[in-house]
Amino acid sequence: KNEVEQSPQNLTAQEGEFITINCSYSVGISALHWLQQHPGGGIVSLFMLSSGKKKHGRLIATINIQEKHSSLHITASHPRDSAVYICAVRSVETSGSRLTFGEGTQLTVNP
Amino acid sequence: KAGVTQTPRYLIKTRGQQVTLSCSPISGHRSVSWYQQTPGQGLQFLFEYFSETQRNKGNFPGRFSGRQFSNSRSEMNVSTLELGDSALYLCASSGTGTGAEQYFGPGTRLTVT
Repeated sequence: KNEVEQSPQNLTAQEGEFITINCSYSVGISALHWLQQHPGGGIVSLFMLSSGKKKHGRLIATINIQEKHSSLHITASHPRDSAVYICAVRSVETSGSRLTFGEGTQLTVNP
Repeated sequence: KAGVTQTPRYLIKTRGQQVTLSCSPISGHRSVSWYQQTPGQGLQFLFEYFSETQRNKGNFPGRFSGRQFSNSRSEMNVSTLELGDSALYLCASSGTGTGAEQYFGPGTRLTVT
């Protein structure tokens, strides 16, 4: 079993829909990251969380440390949100910046 | 501030050759991490350098090595290339604080033929 599991693997939505991507992890963590990767490869860090909730524009990320679960929500989705969304964790067992990644969720938003 | 830069962006090599990839972190960042991304294995951690010292190492063979210079620029080297080394190689830099955010470069796409 992977240390970081994401669901769903693929998600297709219509423009304007509310989207949720889930991430579960099995290790103790010091931080959880949500990353966005567009075709071509570049990765952008959306959020870094260690507790609670963060919001940036139409994006909201939440984390429940007790349940080892995080969600990424996109409100009023738009075709430009189409990308791969990746959950990554930094384990308390390792020092430094080492990240362990989920497999990613391919999101397609149709106009 | 300029972002993380990686050179070259694209590279084609032949099996058995070696390759060196370069990463320049954001100014002031002392930590550089390297990751490999393949369709089959996803994103995997290679190693991390901090102040010219390797701080963490992933589960990759010894053919994969790296170093960091006094200006925090980092290089990774892959010797005796194999077809399976074809991948997107990403580096990320972060500051020195605990829990510092990581900033990713655009990646180097390596194709081994």
